[in-house]
Amino acid sequence: DSGVTQTPKHLITATGQRVTLRCSPRSGDLSVYWYQQSLDQGLQFLIQYYNGEERAKGNILERFSAQQFPDLHSELNLSSLELGDSALYFCASSGGHWGTNTEAFFGQGTRLTVV
Amino acid sequence: EDKVVQSPLSLVVHEGDTVTLNCSYEVTNFRSLLWYKQEKKAPTFLFMLTSSGIEKKSGRLSSILDKKELFSILNITATQTGDSAIYLCAVDRARALNFGKGTSLLVTP
Repeated sequence: DSGVTQTPKHLITATGQRVTLRCSPRSGDLSVYWYQQSLDQGLQFLIQYYNGEERAKGNILERFSAQQFPDLHSELNLSSLELGDSALYFCASSGGHWGTNTEAFFGQGTRLTVV
Repeated sequence: EDKVVQSPLSLVVHEGDTVTLNCSYEVTNFRSLLWYKQEKKAPTFLFMLTSSGIEKKSGRLSSILDKKELFSILNITATQTGDSAIYLCAVDRARALNFGKGTSLLVTP
């Protein structure tokens, strides 16, 4: 168990809908990262928050947004869902931020299926 | 454009064999290279490499980084069926962790 908790584990929703994925980082970790993993794309970095502030942005669509709350948990909001958004969404946390040579620990992921 | 390329994409070996997985990279602002093992769900951390030529070892797994030639290898000796997984290489480039597409390893009895 990595100590990173993601909910829900599975989510099935229709196109056009909006969902929220939740992540609780390991105790004491300030950084939270979101990744999308699909079969053909591998693990794609979406966005990083460090101590409540957006730190880095990757290939995140405008329909997606995220935030990190004062208690350091994070939410990833996906709206106007399309079939192609079906993927495994991972959250990871670390004590520092990229560039400080700290490893990240991954949650079990949320499997999103858009039908 | 930053790239992390892993090879082979997939391999099947018999228990007891030794395997070598490769990861080459072209990134700006390289900080470290990390290896993860992904079984059913969450990638689990294996190694972090920051310096060239220094082997990191954990049981039957070992890894080394060559910062001049921009690659790393992950070796698994005396493979077991429990080693079957996707092995991911990632490069910390100070703004994000870029992952390769992974090498899928299947160890058959």
